[in-house]
Parts: sequence; C-alpha cells; structure tokens
Amino acid sequence: GAGVSQSPRYKVAKRGQDVALRCDPISGHVSLFWYQQALGQGPEFLTYFQNEAQLDKSGLPSDRFFAERPEGSVSTLKIQRTQQEDSAVYLCASSLGTGVRGYTFGSGTRLTVV
Amino acid sequence: QKEVEQNSGPLSVPEGAIASLNCTYSDRGSQSFFWYRQYSGKSPELIMFIYSNGDKEDGRFTAQLNKASQYVSLLIRDSQPSDSATYLCAPTSGGSYIPTFGRGTSLIVHP
Repeated sequence: GAGVSQSPRYKVAKRGQDVALRCDPISGHVSLFWYQQALGQGPEFLTYFQNEAQLDKSGLPSDRFFAERPEGSVSTLKIQRTQQEDSAVYLCASSLGTGVRGYTFGSGTRLTVV
Repeated sequence: QKEVEQNSGPLSVPEGAIASLNCTYSDRGSQSFFWYRQYSGKSPELIMFIYSNGDKEDGRFTAQLNKASQYVSLLIRDSQPSDSATYLCAPTSGGSYIPTFGRGTSLIVHP
C-alpha cells in the first residue's frame, strides 16, 4: 500500500477484555516497530521486527502484551486482560531497510479501556 | 536507561520568526538523530535526520548536531502558523537504529 495502515482506528475495550491491533506496513518494508503513546508524552518503544523475526521486545510492559509478524508483512499487537493503564495510542512504523533515514508511521489505534 | 530531554513548552513565536527547538540525549552511542513533527491527533511525520556533527539544511529547516555535548537542535526559519505542532527529537542507537523519543516540544506560531 501507499502508507502504513493500522486498524481499527479506535477501540474501546472493557477492562479484562483481550484486544488485537493490526499493522499493515508499506509493501516491502523490512523493519517494523510498535510504539505506545500516552496523552502528552512521546512515543514509547514496545517492540521491533526485522521481517518475521522479533529482534527486540524489551519495551513490552508486561507479559499481557504480545506481538507477532508471522510472514514478515502484517503485524498484530495483542493485549490480554486489558487494564485502564493500557489506554493510549498504539503506533506502528516501518522502513525499507534498517531505518537509518527514519521510519514512516501509521495513523495509530486509539485504545480506550473502560 | 536512554533519556531524551526536551522542553515541553509551549514555545510561542510570531509568524516569520526563527523557532529554535533543543534536545539533549544521554546515550553516547547514539548514531542517527531524527526530528519528527506531530500535529494534534495525528501520527508523527519525519522532517529531518542528521548523523554527522554540524549543520544540515533542508528548506526552512536546519538540524544541528553536537555529539560531544550530546545536543541536537532544530531551527525553523520564517515560521508559519502551519508549523504549529509538537516536535519530537529521536536519537537512535544500536544496529537496529531503534529511535528513543523525547516527550516533544509544543510550538505555537501566531500570526
């Protein structure tokens, strides 16, 4: 596609519910990142993929968070047993190579846990 | 712990003035440095990157890097109201060039 596509655009979840957020990167982009952005803050790193390999997941805040990219293209971020503190915008970014010249972000998914 | 410090602002400048946005970082291993612009309710968009000491100019934007001082800045000349946004500084490190973002500086350009 022309850009990084994320869905859903908005998600309201009841506390304790599981959610799945989807990222469809630009075609051919090797590197894919997930970030979490709370209101008034900068994006916080969650995890990084190079093709299907998850090379860094040090930013995932708990074992309730899980990400995958099984075929090296579309990625899914799953959050189990959502908590109110999980409410944030989840951003996906991708790049063709190592990202030395920066990344393209998707529009994000705004998750609200009630 | 990699830290990126930015004054949250808001920085208010009149239209046509130069806006100066500053950023310091703690990781001496940082290699590339990105500046992203984020309009309210939108996702970040890349406006500049720099990886060598000195200045890099692109249109009305100039990025300045001083690795010895662990300092990077962004100058916006002839500021326009459409430049009003939050500017995020993001150094990267490691072979994967993972960006670490600051909390951003809010810029307001008033007519």
